[in-house]
Amino acid sequence: ELKVEQNPLFLSMQEGKNYTIYCNYSTTSDRLYWYRQDPGKSLESLFVLLSNGAVKQEGRLMASLDTKARLSTLHITAAVHDLSATYFCAVDPQGTYKYIFGTGTRLKVLA
Amino acid sequence: DAGVTQSPTHLIKTRGQQVTLRCSPKSGHDTVSWYQQALGQGPQFIFQYYEEEERQRGNFPDRFSGHQFPNYSSELNVNALLLGDSALYLCASSQYRQGFGTDTQYFGPGTRLTVL
Repeated sequence: ELKVEQNPLFLSMQEGKNYTIYCNYSTTSDRLYWYRQDPGKSLESLFVLLSNGAVKQEGRLMASLDTKARLSTLHITAAVHDLSATYFCAVDPQGTYKYIFGTGTRLKVLA
Repeated sequence: DAGVTQSPTHLIKTRGQQVTLRCSPKSGHDTVSWYQQALGQGPQFIFQYYEEEERQRGNFPDRFSGHQFPNYSSELNVNALLLGDSALYLCASSQYRQGFGTDTQYFGPGTRLTVL
């Protein structure tokens, strides 16, 4: 069974702290996507990681991909309240276009 | 440039009824995917349309069907509604590139379907 697992599922952190969200997947995938979802809203694309070793950064968020380990990380640097949201990773198994989303990580940044 | 649009925003139906949801892709996009997102869960892939044909399908029963029109807009139809069909239905569009596949998907605001 194809699985995409994220951990932690819930994360409560203080402003200014650093933390990493992990995304493990069980199938071959050369691409990995990170999305953000605010409560009651749709999904916003954050990063598209296209190859092994890819690293992308936007503001306080940095994403990386290790296709051999089937692992992606989303690192948060010096968190601020505006980053509070649910973060999803997703894979496209073997280029089939059947995107599989992870369970999501609900992040709450406390002032 | 308009992004992905969906209609209606909210919908309430009763068990056994049928529903049609609509999606207009982002300008320049030719591929439309539909997802079902239950409360507190990640989106589940329903199917994807490209060149007016269903290219891929997830693990959803035949009660879920779709269509893509020549202008790339799309409809999702669900027949014989069940209580478990209550969810947020998201449409995502992307551009297919030969030899590369589809690029980043852009999601619409969703249609929240409640089945009573």
